[in-house]
Amino acid sequence: EPEVTQTPSHQVTQMGQEVILRCVPISNHLYFYWYRQILGQKVEFLVSFYNNEISEKSEIFDDQFSVERPDGSNFTLKIRSTKLEDSAMYFCASRGQGAYGNTIYFGEGSWLTVV
Amino acid sequence: GDSVTQMEGPVTLSEEAFLTINCTYTATGYPSLFWYVQYPGEGLQLLLKATKADDKGSNKGFEATYRKETTSFHLEKGSVQVSDSAVYFCALIRGGTASKLTFGTGTRLQVTL
Repeated sequence: EPEVTQTPSHQVTQMGQEVILRCVPISNHLYFYWYRQILGQKVEFLVSFYNNEISEKSEIFDDQFSVERPDGSNFTLKIRSTKLEDSAMYFCASRGQGAYGNTIYFGEGSWLTVV
Repeated sequence: GDSVTQMEGPVTLSEEAFLTINCTYTATGYPSLFWYVQYPGEGLQLLLKATKADDKGSNKGFEATYRKETTSFHLEKGSVQVSDSAVYFCALIRGGTASKLTFGTGTRLQVTL
């Protein structure tokens, strides 16, 4: 079964450093998302991406965050200068279109620990 | 805006007990509704979904019926197992391009022998 894959599974970084989280969405999906989950808390929407541009972003997704689809397969989330409160699990997700286009599939997540 | 409200956890049950996790939603239009499950240390897995009123989603013995009149999508299972211990998230998505999932806060289920 096709799946969303994410790397790294876990990253530890120092405060102020830049981090790039990578995702390979399901092939032929057109809509891409990043969500995050602070330990033990709610899953929060960060950003959605379609047709090579951001469709929607939340208040969390400030100027420190950016997304990119550098080629036909990868979808990345960059955090320019990490803060302690950025420590969370980051989930990438993708969605197709048509009859099954309303289901969003998630990757296994990337644990980010900022120290 | 859209919102999803789930019952507070944790829910602790003995094996083979009946499970209900309540979920209600607020949304304009006709959203699709989902239950996702997160096992300890893992990601989010789609458990079941329903796309229109009166639809019943089912998977692995879990069921949920889309009730538009009560704006609810309660998750049920007749006989839980220890392996069902996880966090369960109710979520909705509206139609339209690039629509996002809106999640509830999650309900932790702990099943004991």
